[in-house]
Amino acid sequence: AQTIHQWPVAEIKAVGSPLSLGCTIKGKSSPNLYWYWQATGGTLQQLFYSITVGQVESVVQLNLSASRPKDDQFILSTEKLLLSHSGFYLCAWSRTGENSDYTFGSGTRLLVI
Amino acid sequence: GDSVTQTEGPVTVSESESLIINCTYSATSIAYPNLFWYVRYPGEGLQLLLKVITAGQKGSSRGFEATYNKETTSFHLQKASVQESDSAVYYCALAENSGTYQRFGTGTKLQVVP
Repeated sequence: AQTIHQWPVAEIKAVGSPLSLGCTIKGKSSPNLYWYWQATGGTLQQLFYSITVGQVESVVQLNLSASRPKDDQFILSTEKLLLSHSGFYLCAWSRTGENSDYTFGSGTRLLVI
Repeated sequence: GDSVTQTEGPVTVSESESLIINCTYSATSIAYPNLFWYVRYPGEGLQLLLKVITAGQKGSSRGFEATYNKETTSFHLQKASVQESDSAVYYCALAENSGTYQRFGTGTKLQVVP
């Protein structure tokens, strides 16, 4: 069975500090991977997606970057956090090909102060 | 651009009553979107409830149903008789066929009271 693990579960970070969020998928080779972000009271916004190792496409610009260093790993990062980065970050995976639904991780709650 | 609009919550329903959560979409860049309902139960992660990929078809799961209506661009979620365990946040979403892009509604918090 496939599992998706996100870390950390929660973070409190200072404005201007760096951030790195991780996501690992086990039990599925070559998945499509996604990062989503939800501000408090807001909607889920797709930030990035990746269909293969080393290739990441940006959907929304939020002064964040993403990388896929391994087939089963997806990293979200920034060198300088903004207050507006606070919120809930979700990683998801789907099968390649058409009509696939997403499976989400448990998420990381980030508070920037 | 593409958008999803759903019933603004919170929605409070008494147990055993019927439920409808409205969802309408605009898919300007997707000719034949796939439509989804996801659910987040308290303390749990976001999970798929049901999906429909063909206009005119109905999806169902856990007593919930939704019909993909291309004419009215709607995908309303319905249940004939809700239970307390249905209390959760429900998200409507649309996606392109390739699956690399999925847009969500704002979510509707449902509270079922005894």
